[in-house]
Amino acid sequence: NAGVTQTPKFQVLKTGQSMTLQCAQDMNHEYMSWYRQDPGMGLRLIHYSVGAGITDQGEVPNGYNVSRSTTEDFPLRLLSAAPSQTSVYFCASKLTANQPQHFGDGTRLSIL
Amino acid sequence: GQQLNQSPQSMFIQEGEDVSMNCTSSSIFNTWLWYKQDPGEGPVLLIALYKAGELTSNGRLTAQFGITRKDSFLNISASIPSDVGIYFCAGQLRGGSARQLTFGSGTQLTVLP
Repeated sequence: NAGVTQTPKFQVLKTGQSMTLQCAQDMNHEYMSWYRQDPGMGLRLIHYSVGAGITDQGEVPNGYNVSRSTTEDFPLRLLSAAPSQTSVYFCASKLTANQPQHFGDGTRLSIL
Repeated sequence: GQQLNQSPQSMFIQEGEDVSMNCTSSSIFNTWLWYKQDPGEGPVLLIALYKAGELTSNGRLTAQFGITRKDSFLNISASIPSDVGIYFCAGQLRGGSARQLTFGSGTQLTVLP
């Protein structure tokens, strides 16, 4: 999964805490997305971006904020963590609309 | 949103056996993708299919884009231990927006020695 870097790899939070999941890519990809993966539910889209300064909501955006100030970075913010946000979070990017996405290795987040 | 039915949910096979899994939808897709996810890692693209009827191979893997554009299958021949993982299909609608990409729920493959 070279090219899409996610940090941290693991995080434990208490309910109500905030944090930012980082995602960076060095492939000059315009399109970036955040997904969460829960058992038996596949990948669900949280937010996505088609270029710097442009973001939009996905299937499950509530409780998450994003920004895209540069082409390289697409951070995901949890403003007030809830146990329902315990999940594995994946960032993905692609160069053009019609190309497949490349995924990072994920951030495993537990909310206590 | 779009719905993808991926089956089977899990498979236990002997090393050396062939494997087949598939995805079906009530909607037409313009692109079908197959990803593999190893434990603790992100999904990695195996095969991308762009035309109805297209049959594409990647080593021991073969995937086909169904003629109706509503289904796709993935075959793995002569399975080996490193084939263990979760296999995801994904269907992409015309336009390529992330909102237009739908993932199946995955097939968990276990290869027994």
